[in-house]
Amino acid sequence: AQRVTQPEKLLSVFKGAPVELKCNYSYSGSPELFWYVQYSRQRLQLLLRHISRESIKGFTADLNKGETSFHLKKPFAQEEDSAMYYCAPRRRGSTLGRLYFGRGTQLTVWP
Amino acid sequence: GAVVSQHPSRVICKSGTSVKIECRSLDFQATTMFWYRQFPKQSLMLMATSNEGSKATYEQGVEKDKFLINHASLTLSTLTVTSAHPEDSSFYICSAHDAGGADEQYFGPGTRLTVT
Repeated sequence: AQRVTQPEKLLSVFKGAPVELKCNYSYSGSPELFWYVQYSRQRLQLLLRHISRESIKGFTADLNKGETSFHLKKPFAQEEDSAMYYCAPRRRGSTLGRLYFGRGTQLTVWP
Repeated sequence: GAVVSQHPSRVICKSGTSVKIECRSLDFQATTMFWYRQFPKQSLMLMATSNEGSKATYEQGVEKDKFLINHASLTLSTLTVTSAHPEDSSFYICSAHDAGGADEQYFGPGTRLTVT
């Protein structure tokens, strides 16, 4: 069965501390992986995707096929990073672009 | 960047009535749009894939006669909740897939439906 797991519903860190939001997936084939973020009272937006290998707002995520993980990391968290983060796999080559979201992790960065 | 709008942002309707929610891609064409449902403090659940000019594809467990989807143009998809019941109260979010550009989904701001 296709499944994405975000084990932490809530995650709190202090400003300047490293943060890691976990995502594990169980998908047939080699899916594309995305992280989406939803700031308070704002719409969902793409944070980063694994194929681009870029760093957005200081966040990076490495796809580990052996562990089937796509954890989101940032070395020094900022208060403005407080938001809801969703991991979402997508079947590779799927022109329909269907995304199935994990349950999300609410990150709170304390001053 | 690409913008997706939804209308209305908030709607209250009586049990048994129908309500239509619009999703528009404002500056790009979207052959595919998606409808999600989000319960309080929960994740987004994909309801259906809306394809321009053809029938929508519904996810397992989603009643197609209950949630009517029409994708009449490349910039507009509508979701009609028919014979609404209080349990249909939820936050409905659409997204539009920009296949021609960045191969990215852009999300609308959502519509809060309350059925009394």
